[in-house]
Amino acid sequence: NAGVMQNPRHLVRRRGQEARLRCSPMKGHSHVYWYRQLPEEGLKFMVYLQKENIIDESGMPKERFSAEFPKEGPSILRIQQVVRGDSAAYFCASSPPWVSTDTQYFGPGTRLTVL
Amino acid sequence: RKEVEQDPGPFNVPEGATVAFNCTYSNSASQSFFWYRQDCRKEPKLLMSVYSSGNEDGRFTAQLNRASQYISLLIRDSKLSDSATYLCVVTPDAGGTSYGKLTFGQGTILTVHP
Repeated sequence: NAGVMQNPRHLVRRRGQEARLRCSPMKGHSHVYWYRQLPEEGLKFMVYLQKENIIDESGMPKERFSAEFPKEGPSILRIQQVVRGDSAAYFCASSPPWVSTDTQYFGPGTRLTVL
Repeated sequence: RKEVEQDPGPFNVPEGATVAFNCTYSNSASQSFFWYRQDCRKEPKLLMSVYSSGNEDGRFTAQLNRASQYISLLIRDSKLSDSATYLCVVTPDAGGTSYGKLTFGQGTILTVHP
């Protein structure tokens, strides 16, 4: 059973461009979480999604950031008009629907660098 | 006040040493508690859950004190491979849509040297 997959692993963007980060949860998992880790800081929760629904987006910046988890395909974290401060590691985690959502499995992360 | 606070370290210990990490959390209604391990530039991995009764997994012992809102991790007989950042993690209370959101401390850096 493949683990949580994220791509790309590294992404370089210039200021003002768009960044799209993809997350494929583990097979059978219907809950997806996105976390951001700024340099020298801990992970910060961004958003919690179930298929076709945003459950909790309390950690998402108010502008330029959006997330989706469609019925088919991976979850996407989209950052529009990136700025240098968006440079960070973005981790996705997934959990199955039949156990506590405390049990989250993390992907390898996407490292975004904004030039 | 941060929701989860840890001493960032770094802790530098020789192989075979015993080392203890502490963590405090601010929300008394927090539901679940964990220690994660993160190697340099890698994803965090669950080390162990933490229960009020205390739990042990090999060389690792975790303890929770709900009254003091305090969590600890003890590593005995340290190995070189234990070198990593140790993250204290808390989930909020079970009500509402925040259930499932993990709140991470900033991490404690451990380096074990020969």
